[in-house]
Amino acid sequence: DAGVTQSPTHLIKTRGQHVTLRCSPISGHKSVSWYQQVLGQGPQFIFQYYEKEERGRGNFPDRFSARQFPNYSSELNVNALLLGDSALYLCASSRTTGIGELFFGEGSRLTVL
Amino acid sequence: QQQVKQSPQSLIVQKGGISIINCAYENTAFDYFPWYQQFPGKGPALLIAIRPDVSEKKEGRFTISFNKSAKQFSLHIMDSQPGDSATYFCAATDMRFGAGTRLTVKP
Repeated sequence: DAGVTQSPTHLIKTRGQHVTLRCSPISGHKSVSWYQQVLGQGPQFIFQYYEKEERGRGNFPDRFSARQFPNYSSELNVNALLLGDSALYLCASSRTTGIGELFFGEGSRLTVL
Repeated sequence: QQQVKQSPQSLIVQKGGISIINCAYENTAFDYFPWYQQFPGKGPALLIAIRPDVSEKKEGRFTISFNKSAKQFSLHIMDSQPGDSATYFCAATDMRFGAGTRLTVKP
């Protein structure tokens, strides 16, 4: 079975641009969560979606948005990129929104110049 | 925003030794405490998890010790192996991660 897949794996943007990151969860998983991992730090929770509805939001500005599609895949959008947005963006899927095992993808490495 | 404090930041252990990583949390409402292992270039992978109704959980060489009154929990890796060299993250619920501990096990 395929694990969580994320695309693109690496990308470079300049300040002020917009980026869209994509995630496909494990088959049968209905919940997708997004995390930002700055080099040398732990993952910071951004969003959780379940059945296409936002179920949780971390302390990130409104420049960050996400959505989940009927097939449970998800997109993370970041507008007006800042240098500080450079990070590894991780997607994780789980069967439900309840506390339980998260399965992480390998992430999308975003560099903002 | 870090609500889970993890220490040490880095740890070097000889092969066969015991690796110990500590975490402390603030919110007594937290009721799930997982540990994740992350290798370079990979996403974190769940290693072991505990709920506060037990004080210890063991899976193979990995043990979580949980002290509810002190709001602390720790990961013990027995008989540490070079293949255990990775970054370890504690978490409280699925949303609050510690800053990570880079473990190096020397052969």
